This record gives sequence, structure tokens and C-alpha cells, in this order.
Amino acid sequence: DGGITQSPKYLFRKEGQNVTLSCEQNLNHDAMYWYRQDPGQGLRLIYYSQIVNDFQKGDIAEGYSVSREKKESFPLTVTSAQKNPTAFYLCASSGTVGLYEQYFGPGTRLTVT
Amino acid sequence: EDKVVQSPLSLVVHEGDTVTLNCSYEVTNFRSLLWYKQEKKAPTFLFMLTSSGIEKKSGRLSSILDKKELFSILNITATQTGDSAIYLCAGLNAGNNRKLIWGLGTSLAVNP
Repeated sequence: DGGITQSPKYLFRKEGQNVTLSCEQNLNHDAMYWYRQDPGQGLRLIYYSQIVNDFQKGDIAEGYSVSREKKESFPLTVTSAQKNPTAFYLCASSGTVGLYEQYFGPGTRLTVT
Repeated sequence: EDKVVQSPLSLVVHEGDTVTLNCSYEVTNFRSLLWYKQEKKAPTFLFMLTSSGIEKKSGRLSSILDKKELFSILNITATQTGDSAIYLCAGLNAGNNRKLIWGLGTSLAVNP
């Protein structure tokens, strides 16, 4: 079954702790993306990567970090510097040039208290 | 600054009604307009529109793009309760970053 998996589905952390969200895809897609979704604010781009070992900041990268060591994997770390980390996080991927539609994983709901 | 505006923000209809959702865009290096459906979890892809005036259809859903007036509509005929969702549209900026510019979505509730 081809698709994008994110784990865990729900995550609870205490303030001040870093946390890493997993995203894996077996669609052989080159590009991968991380979004944050808050009520009433739509999807906001955190980081994206168009190729292995390369990634760029999106619109709200502060307090987050990523790595892209393998084509299949694009983990997101929410650091303690992120002021308001409680949100729904979505990972997406898209294919090679000309195939621009993004396909999404099931999401991780992070709650920081 | 690139932006995508959807209207209405929310809509309540009865089963069997036909609805039209609107999406206007101002996106530099515009390439395509995409529609997604989101039901509590991840958005699922519906349509990608690149050419003006050509309708895309999937069952009771259809969509069309007007590149002169910079908008797209998504039509749903004979609505069912399973159509209840947030419908998102996004414009593709096909510059170096190849970014999607997202609207806030239209929340559709279909009552039995």
C-alpha cells in the first residue's frame, strides 16, 4: 500500500521539551512538506524539502527544525523555542516536476502543557 | 503578497441541495488551482485545474477555473451528509519554491 504515514497520532509533552514528529512516505516522491493547522488559520507551511539533503524554511519556521537524510523520511522537531506548539501537524509529499498535487499523511495532534 | 480567498467561510444546507464554493486567487507565477476535502483529519485531493474553462468532474463534484477573472468554483450536486467537510483550495506558485498558497477553507455542513 503506497502512502504517507505519520506517528504518533496524538502526542503530549510538557513545556520546555523538544519533540520529534515522524513522517515517512513510500510513494517515491521527491518533495516533502510540513504544515501546521490551527482553527481558523488554514494550513501554514513550516518547512519543505525538494530533494534529499536539502530543505527550505516555510512561512513559520521559527522554533522548528527538520532533516532529510533519506528520500522516504522527513522528521520535524518542535523545539522548546516554539512559543505556541500545540497544534495539528500535517506532513505532505508531491512527485517529480509536473506532478504538483500534494498528498497528506493522517496528521499528528501535539498538545504541550 | 500571494493570497487565496474562499467564500463563504461556512455553509449549512439540506441533503439534496446543490452548493457552489468559491475560490479567488492572487498568486505570482500561477500554475494551477487545487481543491481538497478535509474531514477531521488529513486533506484528500479532489481536483487540480490548470487550464481555463475546462470543467473537471468526479461523480457529483465538478470544478472549473477562470484564469482571466482569477477564480475557481467547486460545485456539489445532490449533496449528502457525507459531503460535510472543510473544502480547501490552494494556488500553486510554480516559481523556484513551487509552493501552494492555501485559502482558509469553506466549512460545509449537510443536514439530513
